[in-house]
Amino acid sequence: GQQLNQSPQSMFIQEGEDVSMNCTSSSIFNTWLWYKQEPGEGPVLLIALYKAGELTSNGRLTAQFGITRKDSFLNISASIPSDVGIYFCAGQANSGYALNFGKGTSLLVTP
Amino acid sequence: DAGVIQSPRHEVTEMGQEVTLRCKPISGHDYLFWYRQTMMRGLELLIYFNNNVPIDDSGMPEDRFSAKMPNASFSTLKIQPSEPRDSAVYFCATSGQGGRGYTFGSGTRLTVV
Repeated sequence: GQQLNQSPQSMFIQEGEDVSMNCTSSSIFNTWLWYKQEPGEGPVLLIALYKAGELTSNGRLTAQFGITRKDSFLNISASIPSDVGIYFCAGQANSGYALNFGKGTSLLVTP
Repeated sequence: DAGVIQSPRHEVTEMGQEVTLRCKPISGHDYLFWYRQTMMRGLELLIYFNNNVPIDDSGMPEDRFSAKMPNASFSTLKIQPSEPRDSAVYFCATSGQGGRGYTFGSGTRLTVV
């Protein structure tokens, strides 16, 4: 599958700080998704984006589908300790195709 | 809704043994995916099914790996014979929205010694 470049690889921040992470691809995707994985569990869908330029929020999380369709970012505002986990971006070329995942951003939040 | 159910949660086996991982999808979901997760390679797609038919198995590492979906309620991933390099977390995920927005199971942590 297509390679997704996700950055940063890890972040270590204080509670209350904002977080930003992004994902780029050499190929166009028609769907971008962001997942969070906690220890011992499978990834859980946070936000799904279906249109270039789309900006979608889910509570303190905001994600955007890049206008070129080759990138996406996720912001977390006012981080809290329960935000700890690994965040994955995923791109899908077309409906019915498998998702391609980034390598993940590991987030640690200190109280 | 019980979600995607995988079993076992943990499996420790000796090299050369056969391993079978199981997945029960969410009722009504017509796409089923098997992924493998390791620190080095992240989440890798192994194979996926649509309406019980394998669509893409190009991610299956080698002939030792096989997957079946005999009906809409059940899928298996089998490794025979297993090797230490197969140690990983194996996830099953399903989707009913034309393949969008997967729901993952909790995974099977496989250790081959």
